[in-house]
Amino acid sequence: DTAVSQTPKYLVTQMGNDKSIKCEQNLGHDTMYWYKQDSKKFLKIMFSYNNKELIINETVPNRFSPKSPDKAHLNLHINSLELGDSAVYFCASSQGTPTATDTQYFGPGTRLTVL
Amino acid sequence: GQQVMQIPQYQHVQEGEDFTTYCNSSTTLSNIQWYKQRPGGHPVFLIQLVKSGEVKKQKRLTFQFGEAKKNSSLHITATQTTDVGTYFCAGPHFGNEKLTFGTGTRLTIIP
Repeated sequence: DTAVSQTPKYLVTQMGNDKSIKCEQNLGHDTMYWYKQDSKKFLKIMFSYNNKELIINETVPNRFSPKSPDKAHLNLHINSLELGDSAVYFCASSQGTPTATDTQYFGPGTRLTVL
Repeated sequence: GQQVMQIPQYQHVQEGEDFTTYCNSSTTLSNIQWYKQRPGGHPVFLIQLVKSGEVKKQKRLTFQFGEAKKNSSLHITATQTTDVGTYFCAGPHFGNEKLTFGTGTRLTIIP
């Protein structure tokens, strides 16, 4: 059974479109995250939710809006996609509150390509 | 702002040679974690170090946390093709709730 799953795995879309990425974890963890990995492999945190509550909101354009319907799910909606949004987006989860001492479990990633 | 740098950025080694990646933080870390990302894959947790000067081993991998808790290293002895991937260190800063990932070291093995 997949611990952290994301859909879709690949997403190719035109500039200006709106798209969503979904994430689910079956580990019973309280905290979920979205990371962006660019072409140089730099991993940067975007958002963190703990029990459906937004905890970390990095300097991310407000075109990106996360939503957590319950603690097992964290979705990412992106409006008006731009070329620079092309990247791999990883969802991750950790057990407790985001104290940054817990191990993070990553999903398989969603490769977003904006044309 | 907080920075976690890794060197080298890329490393190509012959199979059987040793490999080391170094992680340096601009500020003190309460702990350091190491992750491995295979090509096309996702980061996978390897280990966490907490104590100053701590050394941990996992088979051919040796992890070290510096005395000042601002740097760390990962050493692989006698690399194998299965070691290919990008190795990231990650650490929070005191009072900070998020993990900051290092810039990563991409290891390729020449058979």
